[in-house]
Amino acid sequence: VQLVQSGAEVKKPGASVKVSCKASGYPISKYNIAWVRQAPGQGLEWMGWISPSNGYTDYVREFRGRVTMTADTSTNTVYMGLTGLRSDDTAVYFCARDDGATSSLFWGQGTLVTVSS
Amino acid sequence: IVLTQSPGTLSLSPGDRATLSCGASQSVDHNYLAWFQQRSGQTPRLLIFGASNRATGIPDRFSGSGSGTDFTLTISRLEPEDFAVYYCHQYAKSPPTFGQGTRVEIK
Repeated sequence: VQLVQSGAEVKKPGASVKVSCKASGYPISKYNIAWVRQAPGQGLEWMGWISPSNGYTDYVREFRGRVTMTADTSTNTVYMGLTGLRSDDTAVYFCARDDGATSSLFWGQGTLVTVSS
Repeated sequence: IVLTQSPGTLSLSPGDRATLSCGASQSVDHNYLAWFQQRSGQTPRLLIFGASNRATGIPDRFSGSGSGTDFTLTISRLEPEDFAVYYCHQYAKSPPTFGQGTRVEIK
C-alpha cells in the first residue's frame, strides 16, 4: 500500500489549492481517507475525511465552507481543495488511510503548501 | 475531545526508559487511542492503536496502556532513532483530535 501526494505549491493569499493523493495497492473505495495538516513547527491537525465509495465527507467545523474533498475511483485518487488561502494555511498537508479501529497505518509523504504574497 | 500530553519535553539518554502521558477531556470510547512517532521532517508513524496494540513492525520496546481518560506510552530502552516527537490521537469521537505532542530529546 502506498499513498503518493502531489508536489509542493506556492499560492498567494485568497487563492485556492488542490492537493492529490494517489493510492496504490488497494482500491480506494475500500477505506476512508483523512486529511491532516501540520503548520511549521506545530502539531497535527485533523481536517476531515472522505468515503471514496460514496463521496460522503465530514469536515472539521473550522474548515467547513473552505475545504472540499473528492475522490476519483477510476484513477484511485483522492483530492483535497482549500479556498480563500491565508498565511496561516501554510502547512504540510497529509492524506492518511483511515483503517477504523486500527487507526491510520498508511500516510502520504505530505505536500507543503506555502501561502505568501 | 481535548488531549493534553505531558511532559512537553523529555530529556533522556539512550538506554533510559521514557514514560509519556496523554489525558483526555472525556472518556475515549472503545479505547480508540493511538500513538504516533514523528521524526524531524518525516511523516507520522503509527506505533500503537486501540491504546495497547502495537502496529505492524513496531519493536516491543514500545508499549501502550491506559483506558478512559488516562493513557501512557512507554519506551522501555531508548534507542538513538527514538528521539522524536510523539503524538497521542483519539479516533473515538468526531472530530478526531491529536495531543500537542511530547518531544523526546537527547540529554
